[in-house]
Amino acid sequence: GIQVEQSPPDLILQEGANSTLRCNFSDSVNNLQWFHQNPWGQLINLFYIPSGTKQNGRLSATTVATERYSLLYISSSQTTDSGVYFCAYYVGGFKTIFGAGTRLFVKA
Amino acid sequence: GAGVSQSPSNKVTEKGKDVELRCDPISGHTALYWYRQSLGQGLEFLIYFQGNSAPDKSGLPSDRFSAERTGGSVSTLTIQRTQQEDSAVYLCASSFGTGAAGYGYTFGSGTRLTVV
Repeated sequence: GIQVEQSPPDLILQEGANSTLRCNFSDSVNNLQWFHQNPWGQLINLFYIPSGTKQNGRLSATTVATERYSLLYISSSQTTDSGVYFCAYYVGGFKTIFGAGTRLFVKA
Repeated sequence: GAGVSQSPSNKVTEKGKDVELRCDPISGHTALYWYRQSLGQGLEFLIYFQGNSAPDKSGLPSDRFSAERTGGSVSTLTIQRTQQEDSAVYLCASSFGTGAAGYGYTFGSGTRLTVV
């Protein structure tokens, strides 16, 4: 199957800092999505971004499908941004595969 | 309802017992998914339901796991003869269509299963 690599695996930020999370794929993927899992375990869909760039407040995402990667940008980080960020892709057969995640901790 | 509802939120069971986990998806969502998340790990796909079609069971880890979806709405994930390695958070998600359609998933809060 397609290999998904998220980096970095762990990240600690000071509140107010900016960061970039990366998701690499070993082959072309469809329907790339980014999710945030908060410290209480709730998973929230952030972006559906098969290609191009989208922005939502302090978050933005860019997918370059031809180069097999997607980036999630967090600007002016807040403590509430802490949690795990997953990228996920549709693999066919109605199945979505999730990466291992980037664990983010934002210090006050 | 307003969101995906899962119950119970926490379940502690003795090894060898059967457990049932319930998921109530968002009204009108035709697709329902079960995932499993072990401690510190990513999400592992278990099973997918779409409308009245036969479910995709390719992710179920063993024949002790089964799931059904009654009336195209509520789903129950059953684990028979639980083992300690079954301990995990079981997450349910629903969507209007498939992931390919671009409609985002809405996840429930999960059921944390602990097998002792």
